[in-house]
Amino acid sequence: DQQVKQNSPSLSVQEGRISILNCDYTNSMFDYFLWYKKYPAEGPTFLISISSIKDKNEDGRFTVFLNKSAKHLSLHIVPSQPGDSAVYFCAASGMGSQGNLIFGKGTKLSVKP
Amino acid sequence: KAGVTQTPRYLIKTRGQQVTLSCSPISGHRSVSWYQQTPGQGLQFLFEYFSETQRNKGNFPGRFSGRQFSNSRSEMNVSTLELGDSALYLCASSSGTGNSGNTIYFGEGSWLTVV
Repeated sequence: DQQVKQNSPSLSVQEGRISILNCDYTNSMFDYFLWYKKYPAEGPTFLISISSIKDKNEDGRFTVFLNKSAKHLSLHIVPSQPGDSAVYFCAASGMGSQGNLIFGKGTKLSVKP
Repeated sequence: KAGVTQTPRYLIKTRGQQVTLSCSPISGHRSVSWYQQTPGQGLQFLFEYFSETQRNKGNFPGRFSGRQFSNSRSEMNVSTLELGDSALYLCASSSGTGNSGNTIYFGEGSWLTVV
């Protein structure tokens, strides 16, 4: 039973345009959400996070939106750059279980020049 | 500030053997978690240690074990290796304090191949 779902295995975007990566979760006890970027054979690199008490968090080109009622979050990358091409993972943790991140299966983003 | 360091980066073991992987967390971080990444199952949580105590555990068999030392460095051990244990093993660290909301930082991983 997947508690964190990234339903799009891949996404292709033109350089300079917006990339929107989506993530759904089922466990209402999750209260902290993170996005990671990963290249093959490397560890995930932290991008941005959001607490369940917020609905938006911004850091440079990256913005994460959280819709708690829909149990949905999204990562917006504006403008997209070829160097953003990687696999993006959504992860969630709940109170009392920090250190235990539940990951989605990832979305492979390709940004074309 | 140095990141999470894992050793070795690559190793090949034979079925039935055991393996020990090491992890040095970011300085000041007291929580160390371990994850397994495989193509089929994605990233899965193994266990988390905080102040030398296992605080959380995932759904892996008892062949997978770990420990944490007083300097927060951690090791994980897999005994009686099976072919299916071939994976990227990732160590992650965080401050570990508070109920939640700590950002978790990952190391580069240890690639284990079981033949």
